[in-house]
Amino acid sequence: DTAVSQTPKYLVTQMGNDKSIKCEQNLGHDTMYWYKQDSKKFLKIMFSYNNKELIINETVPNRFSPKSPDKAHLNLHINSLELGDSAVYFCASSLGIAGIFDEQYFGPGTRLTVT
Amino acid sequence: SQQGEEDPQALSIQEGENATMNCSYKTSINNLQWYRQNSGRGLVHLILIRSNEREKHSGRLRVTLDTSKKSSSLLITASRAADTASYFCATGEYGNKLVFGAGTILRVKS
Repeated sequence: DTAVSQTPKYLVTQMGNDKSIKCEQNLGHDTMYWYKQDSKKFLKIMFSYNNKELIINETVPNRFSPKSPDKAHLNLHINSLELGDSAVYFCASSLGIAGIFDEQYFGPGTRLTVT
Repeated sequence: SQQGEEDPQALSIQEGENATMNCSYKTSINNLQWYRQNSGRGLVHLILIRSNEREKHSGRLRVTLDTSKKSSSLLITASRAADTASYFCATGEYGNKLVFGAGTILRVKS
């Protein structure tokens, strides 16, 4: 059973398009995250939701909009895609809030390529 | 902002040798975690050490934490080819988030 799943695994699209990435966890966790990993492997948090409430919103362009319909799902919608958005996007979840006491479980990643 | 910085950036060893990776950070932390990332995959949690702990073991892994020096080390003993991966430290900041370093790329040659 996949703990944290993301779709799609690969996404190739043109500049200016709008796209979504979906994430689901079946671990019963309360907190979910979106991270962006750039070409140098640097992993940076974008958003975090705890029980469907936004708790972390890093300095991310407002073209990125997360949506959490329930605590098992956290989707990421990106408007007007730019070349600089090309990266691998990871969804993760944790039982509580990871910065305080919990480990995170990561999805397999979505490699987004904007041409 | 990037908190943890791993050292070295890359490490190449022979199978059976030990591998040591270091992580330095800047601010007060609640905990420090180590993760492994195999090529093309998501990160996998290895070990969590709390700020009031100094050492922790898990199988062939040994993690130390020195809060006075704001540093941690990850030791992998008797390395195997399957240990080839990138290793990241992440610090749990008092702001409800984990901040990841840039990682150490470990290559274990068989």
